[in-house]
Amino acid sequence: EVVMTQSPATLSVSPGERATLSCRASQSVSSNLAWYQQKPGQAPRLLIYGASTRATGIPARFSGSGSGTEFTLTISSLQSEDFAVYYCQQYNNWPTFGGGTKVEIK
Amino acid sequence: EVQLVESGGGLVQPGGSLRLSCTASGFNFDDHAMHWVRQPPGKGLEWVSGISWNSGNIAYADSVKGRVTISRDNAKNSLYLQMNSLGAEDLALYYCVRASDYANAGWFDSWGQGTLVAVSS
Repeated sequence: EVVMTQSPATLSVSPGERATLSCRASQSVSSNLAWYQQKPGQAPRLLIYGASTRATGIPARFSGSGSGTEFTLTISSLQSEDFAVYYCQQYNNWPTFGGGTKVEIK
Repeated sequence: EVQLVESGGGLVQPGGSLRLSCTASGFNFDDHAMHWVRQPPGKGLEWVSGISWNSGNIAYADSVKGRVTISRDNAKNSLYLQMNSLGAEDLALYYCVRASDYANAGWFDSWGQGTLVAVSS
């Protein structure tokens, strides 16, 4: 099983600032990495797949990078609607999720 | 519009069984692998099980292996999860999820709203 580790667990950011979230895989997953956003009471929403491709309708302020075992999700200028929990997921093998990063208002 | 509607959740006693169902619409169901993902209250996401488009490739998380069976009926656009020997650790919201790929995984591009499984005596 590929173990996904996200850091930090909580990120406190002011609106308009940049947020950088990290995700590490226990073994290489190539670029088979997705990011999801989840708001309270809602199902997760796909943001990024293929490590860096934005899903349909996702704003350009969201960007993903990395390959192999190290990945990053960057939100360039946080908007009020971006405060949520973010999960990474590998799909190189049967899928596994990271533990999540909560982005909260500073 | 892609829609995934789960049903079958509820309160069950420890050791009991439940069968979750997911009805899909708005896309060609047999073009996609399908999965179940669960989320305990206040916690993160856990992949539970996945099934390829033709049921030829199936996998389970270690935490549920031997206790659950995933299946699908492409003629009915439906996905199922038979859950047996339920315990407190199975308390969660269970999501039906569409994968981008037909084979096994791929990214998860559509999610249902979930059905809650609660285990209590």
